[in-house]
Amino acid sequence: KAGVTQTPRYLIKTRGQQVTLSCSPISGHRSVSWYQQTPGQGLQFLFEYFSETQRNKGNFPGRFSGRQFSNSRSEMNVSTLELGDSALYLCASSFGQGGGYTFGSGTRLTVV
Amino acid sequence: GDSVTQMEGPVTLSEEAFLTINCTYTATGYPSLFWYVQYPGEGLQLLLKATKADDKGSNKGFEATYRKETTSFHLEKGSVQVSDSAVYFCALSGRRGGGGADGLTFGKGTHLIIQP
Repeated sequence: KAGVTQTPRYLIKTRGQQVTLSCSPISGHRSVSWYQQTPGQGLQFLFEYFSETQRNKGNFPGRFSGRQFSNSRSEMNVSTLELGDSALYLCASSFGQGGGYTFGSGTRLTVV
Repeated sequence: GDSVTQMEGPVTLSEEAFLTINCTYTATGYPSLFWYVQYPGEGLQLLLKATKADDKGSNKGFEATYRKETTSFHLEKGSVQVSDSAVYFCALSGRRGGGGADGLTFGKGTHLIIQP
């Protein structure tokens, strides 16, 4: 069974640009959540989607947004990139409440 | 809000030593608890989990018991190997709103170094 797939693996963008990251969950998983990992702040929750609806959102500015499609695939978008947005962005999928979350390998975003 | 506290390390041990990584949490309701491991350059891998009080999660020689009375979920292993060197994250999943998954709250991570 295929795992969680995140594309692209690496990305370099310039300040002020926008970026879209993609996540394909494990087949049958309806929940997708996104996390930002940085050396200083550790792992921080961005948002979580279940059946195309955003259920929870972390404490991030409105420049960070996401969506989920009917096939459970999810995208996150960051507009007007700042240097501080450089991070590893991780996506995780889950079948439902209380289950284990399976993570993808992440997208390493570098803003220059 | 929910929070997880764990020792950050680095924790350096010799091969075959006993390992304990402490983890305590603050949460409303009855969260599920997890330990994840991250190897260099990779994403997170679920190591073990427990969904209710007194449950013991175990995998690959690692164990952790959900202690509601002390709000703790300490990770233990009787004899560590060099290959266990990684960063270990304690996490909880709250049960807000009911139905579906609720996202994870992570600790800062503990960098474990095992020397031969």
